[in-house]
Amino acid sequence: DTTVKQNPRYKLARVGKPVNLICSQTMNHDTMYWYQKKPNQAPKLLLFYYDKILNREADTFEKFQSSRPNNSFCSLYIGSAGLEYSAMYLCASSRDWGANTGQLYFGEGSKLTVL
Amino acid sequence: QQKVQQSPESLTVSEGAMASLNCTFSDRSSDNFRWYRQHSGKGLEVLVSIFSDGEKEEGSFTAHLNRASLHVFLHIREPQPSDSALYLCAVRGTGGYKVVFGSGTRLLVSP
Repeated sequence: DTTVKQNPRYKLARVGKPVNLICSQTMNHDTMYWYQKKPNQAPKLLLFYYDKILNREADTFEKFQSSRPNNSFCSLYIGSAGLEYSAMYLCASSRDWGANTGQLYFGEGSKLTVL
Repeated sequence: QQKVQQSPESLTVSEGAMASLNCTFSDRSSDNFRWYRQHSGKGLEVLVSIFSDGEKEEGSFTAHLNRASLHVFLHIREPQPSDSALYLCAVRGTGGYKVVFGSGTRLLVSP
């Protein structure tokens, strides 16, 4: 099974409210990623976990939190949603962190709409 | 910092005609390139991976890498309407974790 599952598929949130997105994979991959995708823009890496170590991108450091309580599960948390957070959030996993042959396996995404 | 750009932004081809997509990158030391596809409302699926100059074929998809010119191309042989989707180029630097994506080419295959 090479699937990455994301929940919820669609999320409607009010400005200022928290949002929690969930991702799981059963491939025993070392690394799990969160990307943000807006229409007509490239997917933007927000953060990733290698094993239990969290790495966040400098320009999104304070906007997103994440947790990985076990190898299979990873969440993305927004403490106070703003209109600019409306986007598709894509979770991915990879087994070969640092290796040249690492391939990302993506979930179907969580579409967040902030009103 | 790695920059990845794709052209054209959108492309319409007739069913069965070759489709060619272009991706340029800025870091010549990059050695890990993939093309992904995203159908509307779905996740990204990998089409073909290439790690050295030359060509790599996976089914009807052929990637062509020329690092000297900073280009990686995707050719789709005999595309079908079901191949209509967003095509994304992804580039990863040597020994790194970060995958940088282009903004994509939206392909429409007309019957």
